[in-house]
Amino acid sequence: AQSVTQPDIHITVSEGASLELRCNYSYGATPYLFWYVQSPGQGLQLLLKYFSGDTLVQGIKGFEAEFKRSQSSFNLRKPSVHWSDAAEYFCAVGAGGSYIPTFGRGTSLIVHP
Amino acid sequence: GAGVSQSPSNKVTEKGKDVELRCDPISGHTALYWYRQRLGQGLEFLIYFQGNSAPDKSGLPSDRFSAERTGESVSTLTIQRTQQEDSAVYLCASSRDRGRGYQETQYFGPGTRLLVL
Repeated sequence: AQSVTQPDIHITVSEGASLELRCNYSYGATPYLFWYVQSPGQGLQLLLKYFSGDTLVQGIKGFEAEFKRSQSSFNLRKPSVHWSDAAEYFCAVGAGGSYIPTFGRGTSLIVHP
Repeated sequence: GAGVSQSPSNKVTEKGKDVELRCDPISGHTALYWYRQRLGQGLEFLIYFQGNSAPDKSGLPSDRFSAERTGESVSTLTIQRTQQEDSAVYLCASSRDRGRGYQETQYFGPGTRLLVL
């Protein structure tokens, strides 16, 4: 079965600084990978996803993520964080043959002015 | 509506009572998922509906949990004899069609926050 780890429970950055949120997965074959964002009181919104092809994936709101098979990672990045990016971020992994993704426990992003 | 809606947005109940949570998916979305999100935890899959196929109930934590969906419309998640450990946010998501699997984006509702006293 697949699993996903988000090692950082909280990340604090200053507005305008760059951001990287870590995600590591465990799965024997090429996984499907996702990043979601959850703003306070809101449902989850898909930022980006990776199925195959180019390992650098562009998403909404200026986010990108890079799939690194050798490191079993799918880290989320943004070059310049805005105060409105403060939210909970979830990485998820899916396996072929199953349509139920496994979610990480989330990373809470705090943005200082 | 434009998105997935869930009701109620908040529910406080006493231990031992039954609760019903409702999800209205996006029109035309054949797939519907229920998840549970406990405080500080990731999303825990509960149940999955796809069209008229038998639902995937593999994530339901106990027989106190059940869900129904009529066709491709509203779904109801029922928790009987609620326990304090049932306190969580219950999220519903819908997507277009299972045939393309993960290429179909899941659209999430805002969730129902359940507190069992």
